[in-house]
Parts: sequence; structure tokens; C-alpha cells
Amino acid sequence: GDSVTQMEGPVTLSEEAFLTINCTYTATGYPSLFWYVQYPGEGLQLLLKATKADDKGSNKGFEATYRKETTSFHLEKGSVQVSDSAVYFCALTAPYNTNAGKSTFGDGTTLTVKP
Amino acid sequence: DTGVSQNPRHKITKRGQNVTFRCDPISEHNRLYWYRQTLGQGPEFLTYFQNEAQLEKSRLLSDRFSAERPKGSFSTLEIQRTEQGDSAMYLCASSLGLAGRETQYFGPGTRLLVL
Repeated sequence: GDSVTQMEGPVTLSEEAFLTINCTYTATGYPSLFWYVQYPGEGLQLLLKATKADDKGSNKGFEATYRKETTSFHLEKGSVQVSDSAVYFCALTAPYNTNAGKSTFGDGTTLTVKP
Repeated sequence: DTGVSQNPRHKITKRGQNVTFRCDPISEHNRLYWYRQTLGQGPEFLTYFQNEAQLEKSRLLSDRFSAERPKGSFSTLEIQRTEQGDSAMYLCASSLGLAGRETQYFGPGTRLLVL
């Protein structure tokens, strides 16, 4: 079945540091890939997505590139802020008929940014 | 606010009681998903509707769980004879578009605690 493996956390960085959170996946066919962010006490918010190989998703300074050859979708940000502290989830959605639309999530990576 | 809403936000119940949660999706969205999230884990797919039809159920959804979307709008998730292992956050999401390519919008979740 489909699976998503995320870099284990927690991750603690100083403000303005560079962030990478690794994500690799296993899926049949050509999934869409997503990063979601979850702030304390809130639901998941879509951060960025990519729907085909070599696509780059970007939002709020975060970027991730869909790498089919390495089955990866690593999340990066050049300079993190305290307000980026949250849990980040990598997810895929596989477009086959019987599994249409359901998402498979990684276990999440907790990011804490210190001033 | 036209996002996905869920009620109640929190529910505490005693083992053996029945509980029902409601999800109101974004109004024009035809697909609705239920996920369960336990502490430290990513969301796990439970079931999904396209309009009023329930198209898939995870094996996580035991026969104590039932979900409906009677008019293709709001949905309810009922858990009968709750067990302590049912304690989790229950997330609802909705989407519109080609299955597997569209963005799912998540509600804030209902946190269930079974004593």
C-alpha cells in the first residue's frame, strides 16, 4: 500500500536558520504530494502541493520539489521564524479509482523555532 | 467563514456510550472525508463520500462506526459503544475536482476522550 516516511523530530532551530524536513513516499502510479501544517489546537492547513514530477510547490517562503526518481518531497525554508513553530505533515493522494482522493500521511515533524 | 466546520470541538464520554459528530463541508464541495488522528501520529483515512454515496471505508472503521451524508451536504460520524481506544481527534475534510489532484480542506477536528 501507499506510505509516507518523514524525518523524525522534534526539530529545534534558531530564528533565521535554514530548515529541511525530509519526506519520502511509496505509491503506485503518480500521486499528488502535499505538505500540511498544524498549529496547536487547530486543524491541518495546506502549506503547498505538487501534482506531477519536477513540479515545485511554494508558499510563505516554504518550497518542496516533487522528485520522482528519488520518490521524495523534502520541505525547505531559507530562514525560519518563531511563528513557523508547528507540526508539519507530508502526505500523498493517489488518483486511482478505488482509492480516489484519500490521503496517506506521514507521522509529522514537530518544529520549534527559538528566538 | 466558509471553511469546513465540525461540531462539537471536544467530547468527553464514558466507555460504552454512543457519540455523534457532525461535519459541514465547504458548500460546493462534492467529496467529504473522515480521518482519525491519534497523538503523535498523522491522520489515518476512515471513509469518504462522493455526494451522498459512501465510496470507501477503511478497515480501521469497525462495525461500531457508521458515517452518513444523507443529502450530499453535511455528514455525521457515529461511534457506538465507545471504547478507550477510540480516543482521538476526528478530522473532516472536503474537496472539489478531479479525484487525487484536488486540495482537501480540513476542519478543526473533534477531540474525543473516552473515560
